[in-house]
Amino acid sequence: EAQVTQNPRYLITVTGKKLTVTCSQNMNHEYMSWYRQDPGLGLRQIYYSMNVEVTDKGDVPEGYKVSRKEKRNFPLILESPSPNQTSLYFCASSLRTTPDTQYFGPGTRLTVL
Amino acid sequence: EDQVTQSPEALRLQEGESSSLNCSYTVSGLRGLFWYRQDPGKGPEFLFTLYSAGEEKEKERLKATLTKKESFLHITAPKPEDSATYLCAVHEQRGSTLGRLYFGRGTQLTVWP
Repeated sequence: EAQVTQNPRYLITVTGKKLTVTCSQNMNHEYMSWYRQDPGLGLRQIYYSMNVEVTDKGDVPEGYKVSRKEKRNFPLILESPSPNQTSLYFCASSLRTTPDTQYFGPGTRLTVL
Repeated sequence: EDQVTQSPEALRLQEGESSSLNCSYTVSGLRGLFWYRQDPGKGPEFLFTLYSAGEEKEKERLKATLTKKESFLHITAPKPEDSATYLCAVHEQRGSTLGRLYFGRGTQLTVWP
C-alpha cells in the first residue's frame, strides 16, 4: 500500500531530551516536507527537501534539524525540545520536486513537559 | 502577517445549499495554489492544484478557481460527508530556490441534513 508512515504516533517527553521523529514513504517520491499544526495557527512548514541531500528551511525551522540521506526517509530531529514545540507534526511527500499533490502521514502528537 | 488568508473561518450549510470558500494570498510570486481537505485527527488530503489565473478544476461537488490574488472553492449541493476543514496552500516563487509552502488557517465546513 502506498503510504507515508511516521513514528512514533504519540510522544511525551521532557525539556532538553533529544528526540527523533521518523518519516518514511514507499512511493519513490522526490519531495518531502515537515509541518506542525497548532490550534489557531494552522499548518506551518518546518523544513522541506526537493531530493536527496537537498533541504531548505520552511517558515518555522528554529529548534529543528532534518537530513535526507536516502530518498525514502526524512527524519525530524529536535536536539533540545522545549514546551513551545508541543504540537501535532505531519510529514508529507510528493512525486516530483515540488509540493504538488502531497500525501500526508497520519501525524505525530508531541508533548514536551 | 499571514501570507494566506481563508474566509470564512467556519461555515454551516444545510444539505443542498451551495456556497463558496475564499482563499486570498499576498506572496509576490505564485508557483502553485493547492486545496486540501482535512478530517478530524487525520492528515490533509489533496484536492486540487491551480497554477495560473483563469484556471478551474472540478471534482464531484467541488470546483476550484483562481484569480490573480485569490482562489475560490465552490461547493455545489453539499452533503453531510463534505463536512471537514478545507485548507488552502500557496507555493511561493523566490528567486532560483524552490520556495516555501504557506497554508491558510482553514475553513471548517459543517453540512447538516
